[in-house]
Amino acid sequence: ILNVEQSPQSLHVQEGDSTNFTCSFPSSNFYALHWYRWETAKSPEALFVMTLNGDEKKKGRISATLNTKEGYSYLYIKGSQPEDSATYLCAFVSSGTYKYIFGTGTRLKVLA
Amino acid sequence: KAGVTQTPRYLIKTRGQQVTLSCSPISGHRSVSWYQQTPGQGLQFLFEYFSETQRNKGNFPGRFSGRQFSNSRSEMNVSTLELGDSALYLCASSLRQGVDEQYFGPGTRLTVT
Repeated sequence: ILNVEQSPQSLHVQEGDSTNFTCSFPSSNFYALHWYRWETAKSPEALFVMTLNGDEKKKGRISATLNTKEGYSYLYIKGSQPEDSATYLCAFVSSGTYKYIFGTGTRLKVLA
Repeated sequence: KAGVTQTPRYLIKTRGQQVTLSCSPISGHRSVSWYQQTPGQGLQFLFEYFSETQRNKGNFPGRFSGRQFSNSRSEMNVSTLELGDSALYLCASSLRQGVDEQYFGPGTRLTVT
């Protein structure tokens, strides 16, 4: 059974703080790793799709890194803002089956 | 361009009934995936369709089925509803499965009583 784990489950940070979360996934049969942001009452929104070991992607204050050999990805938010409050999900896509396996997410609350 | 649409948005059914949910993908997207989200669980993959063919299926009982039409619109059917089927059902479309961003619809909230 393929398992994708995210940590921490939730965290509260002050506005302006930088923070990061972890997504752990199987180190074999890797095809792609997706990150999504899911705000309350909205649909999940794609942040990054990462496919190569060592990949680093950035969108504004949010960036992500990927290590496929050890099976983890980090998501960083620099200078957190209240509008960053959301659940951040990662999804592992396995080669061969191309099924998406989602983690249970990290719920971020940024306090003003 | 128009986003992914799902109908209906809310649905209340009783145990034993069946239900059909609909998803219209972004124009040009041929891959449509369905997910179930229940409290305490992450998004659980149901199935994925591409060009009218089911390419992937998650670990759900045969009561869950789907199909995709030639215009890429997809339907999901759940027969003999159980209380545990109460969930948010999301569909997502993408150009290709796996390496392209998925765009999610607003979801259908199904309540089974």
